Amino acid sequence: DARVTQTPRDKVTEMGQEVTMRCQPILGHNTVFWYRQTMMQGLELLAYFRNRAPLDDSGMPKDRFSAEMPDATLATLKIQPSEPRDSAVYFCASGPEGDTEAFFGQGTRLTVV
Amino acid sequence: AQSVTQLDSQVPVFEEAPVELRCNYSSSVSVYLFWYVQYPNQGLQLLLKYLSGSTLVKGINGFEAEFNKSQTSFHLRKPSVHISDTAEYFCAVSGLSDKIIFGKGTRLHILP
Repeated sequence: DARVTQTPRDKVTEMGQEVTMRCQPILGHNTVFWYRQTMMQGLELLAYFRNRAPLDDSGMPKDRFSAEMPDATLATLKIQPSEPRDSAVYFCASGPEGDTEAFFGQGTRLTVV
Repeated sequence: AQSVTQLDSQVPVFEEAPVELRCNYSSSVSVYLFWYVQYPNQGLQLLLKYLSGSTLVKGINGFEAEFNKSQTSFHLRKPSVHISDTAEYFCAVSGLSDKIIFGKGTRLHILP
């Protein structure tokens, strides 16, 4: 059963700490999306990659957020330093080549205190 | 730029009654439209998508949606809802092999 895997599922951290969220896309998918979900803003696209290259990260605060794909099986989203306003659920999704569809992971619930 | 407007943040409906969740989009290019469902503490799951062809699209769980280009709408319907349909529903728009932009969601409440 192919699925997008995100770790950790839950993370509580103190303000100022570095947070790293990881995502394993579905094998063979070449597009990876990072979204942030909050009650106020809904689902915001932070960044997306195709064939490991970033295509658009305009939704991401550049001063503290970074997204990378070290290889085709791993995408990471880092926040350094973290702030309470970063508290949200972060979703990774992947999509197959030549198609427009996103398969979502279960999300990482981040709480910054 | 593409955008999606979901006109209702919450929709209450009695069990076994019909429901329509509204979605309007704006785009300067050809669009691909989607409806996703999110159950509590879960990721999003695709209900249905419109890429081309017939404007009436059927999806999972008895849902369907109709693409209306002149009204730039893609409303989601179900003729008879069940308590298990309680969830949040997201409309989304994309270009081919492009980023997917989501609306703010509509929370569907099923009343007994």
